[in-house]
Amino acid sequence: NAGVTQTPKFQVLKTGQSMTLQCAQDMNHEYMSWYRQDPGMGLRLIHYSVGAGITDQGEVPNGYNVSRSTTEDFPLRLLSAAPSQTSVYFCASSYSRTSGRYEQYFGPGTRLTVT
Amino acid sequence: ILNVEQSPQSLHVQEGDSTNFTCSFPSSNFYALHWYRWETAKSPEALFVMTLNGDEKKKGRISATLNTKEGYSYLYIKGSQPEDSATYLCAPAPVYGGSQGNLIFGKGTKLSVKP
Repeated sequence: NAGVTQTPKFQVLKTGQSMTLQCAQDMNHEYMSWYRQDPGMGLRLIHYSVGAGITDQGEVPNGYNVSRSTTEDFPLRLLSAAPSQTSVYFCASSYSRTSGRYEQYFGPGTRLTVT
Repeated sequence: ILNVEQSPQSLHVQEGDSTNFTCSFPSSNFYALHWYRWETAKSPEALFVMTLNGDEKKKGRISATLNTKEGYSYLYIKGSQPEDSATYLCAPAPVYGGSQGNLIFGKGTKLSVKP
């Protein structure tokens, strides 16, 4: 199993540009989440999904969109990038009915810089 | 949004010392509690998920306890080693529905173990 994969690893954007961060998991997990990591702020939840077609907002959703058309994929879209969105973004997945376990598995992260 | 407090923010210990950290959250009868270990330049990895008041979990030299009635969890490390140096994150989650897919993390306790 590849686990949770994220692309790209690094990205530089100009203010106002849009882009999509990709996240995929091959563990048949039902839950997927996006977090951002900022110095002194820990991990903050952006959006999450408890199944295909179901998404909801986390702590810091503004400026981001998500969709979950398949169980495996959970892309995060930045609509109009701002310098405040410079951060490291982590995708995570958890819970399969087979295992009944809830611990989250994290991807390797995407380091985004907005100039 | 849950208010999650972790203390201390940082801790410096000598190799061989035993140490413990605290995670505080609003008390309730219905919380699960996640602990994660996060090494610098890596992704968070799950240590424990505890779901019952009074739960105790152990993995090697690391153990954790949960008190949902008073709203706290302790993480203990016995005989700290340099490889234990990391940030330890906790995240309580209500035990219903898909709530364990939308974890709200504390800011973590950063442990440094000197050889």
